[in-house]
Amino acid sequence: RKEVEQDPGPFNVPEGATVAFNCTYSNSASQSFFWYRQDCRKEPKLLMSVYSSGNEDGRFTAQLNRASQYISLLIRDSKLSDSATYLCVVSRRVNFGNEKLTFGTGTRLTIIP
Amino acid sequence: NAGVTQTPKFRILKIGQSMTLQCAQDMNHNYMYWYRQDPGMGLKLIYYSVGAGITDKGEVPNGYNVSRSTTEDFPLRLELAAPSQTSVYFCASNQGWGSYEQYFGPGTRLTVT
Repeated sequence: RKEVEQDPGPFNVPEGATVAFNCTYSNSASQSFFWYRQDCRKEPKLLMSVYSSGNEDGRFTAQLNRASQYISLLIRDSKLSDSATYLCVVSRRVNFGNEKLTFGTGTRLTIIP
Repeated sequence: NAGVTQTPKFRILKIGQSMTLQCAQDMNHNYMYWYRQDPGMGLKLIYYSVGAGITDKGEVPNGYNVSRSTTEDFPLRLELAAPSQTSVYFCASNQGWGSYEQYFGPGTRLTVT
């Protein structure tokens, strides 16, 4: 079983719609959780961290369920500029205060005009 | 700040050739990483460094070497290139010690034929 699993998509969604992605992780020792965004042929960039209490940043809402070991990302009122691949990222402590990030394979989202 | 920079952007190597991928950051980050990203796959950690003079293997270190003589630079050396090393290589850095967001360079696209 992969340490981090995501539905690869693609998700083709009309502009203005709401779209949700889920991600599951297998290592219960995982401590920190993130969503990264990667545009085509570009580097990944942090979209948001994910907290147990849930967190919101504008149109984006992230949720963490530690008991079920899944993470979600909700995008409301989707824009054309939201088209990208969304990477679920899970980290756990390794040593010297360092954390090892494990990346999911990503979910590709295309917003259709 | 330039952030994380990588050179070259693209490179084609013949089987058995060697090369060094350059990575530099100007954010005074202690931690630096090398990842590779194959199509449809998550990023895989090759090597990482927690500070100048300290490096350690990641998940997929075979066929690569690194050094960290300064805080700023973290070159990745490929010896005897093989077609299996065709990939996109990303360098990343972060401050560590509770700052877990990783900042990525723009990547190097390497083809080995």
